[in-house]
Amino acid sequence: AQSVTQLDSQVPVFEEAPVELRCNYSSSVSVYLFWYVQYPNQGLQLLLKYLSGSTLVESINGFEAEFNKSQTSFHLRKPSVHISDTAEYFCAVSPLYSGAGSYQLTFGKGTKLSVIP
Amino acid sequence: DTGVSQDPRHKITKRGQNVTFRCDPISEHNRLYWYRQTLGQGPEFLTYFQNEAQLEKSRLLSDRFSAERPKGSFSTLEIQRTEQGDSAMYLCASSSKTSGYNEQFFGPGTRLTVL
Repeated sequence: AQSVTQLDSQVPVFEEAPVELRCNYSSSVSVYLFWYVQYPNQGLQLLLKYLSGSTLVESINGFEAEFNKSQTSFHLRKPSVHISDTAEYFCAVSPLYSGAGSYQLTFGKGTKLSVIP
Repeated sequence: DTGVSQDPRHKITKRGQNVTFRCDPISEHNRLYWYRQTLGQGPEFLTYFQNEAQLEKSRLLSDRFSAERPKGSFSTLEIQRTEQGDSAMYLCASSSKTSGYNEQFFGPGTRLTVL
């Protein structure tokens, strides 16, 4: 079984300031890691993912996340946020191998990022 | 590729009534998932289909819930005798071997309110 902990439920930050959203996970098996973003009244959109290879992954809109296996973390960072980044961010994991083949996602509770003008 | 669609987007019902939601996955995605998201929580897995076969169900899926995917394309989720605790956002997602089964594409969700 897997579990995901997002340590901050809300993060206010001023526009153009840096931000880090923290994510830690627990799993008895190897996992893939994901960050999803949810804008108000919309579904989830994949922001970035770590499957294998380089532990630093980047999105097209300036976010990056680093997989740290020893600390079981996958923190999300952005050096300079914009108003449009205001949304809820979810960290998720899925097992590398699934007996039932579902590769179901296990999500954290989410972090609401509020960018202040 | 028009994305995952869900219908309706919002549903208000009275306790005890039955409701049915529909999900249309991305075409040719053979895997389809249902998740439930309650206020202040992340989505939680409910069930999963590969083609028309329902291969896994969460313990969250009580006897009042039933899901189908009759022809391996769209799926329906029915809740019988709704309770106030069923109020939530119901999310559908799909995936395929081509996109990597572990990458799931989500629909906009159906928000259910049980009065």
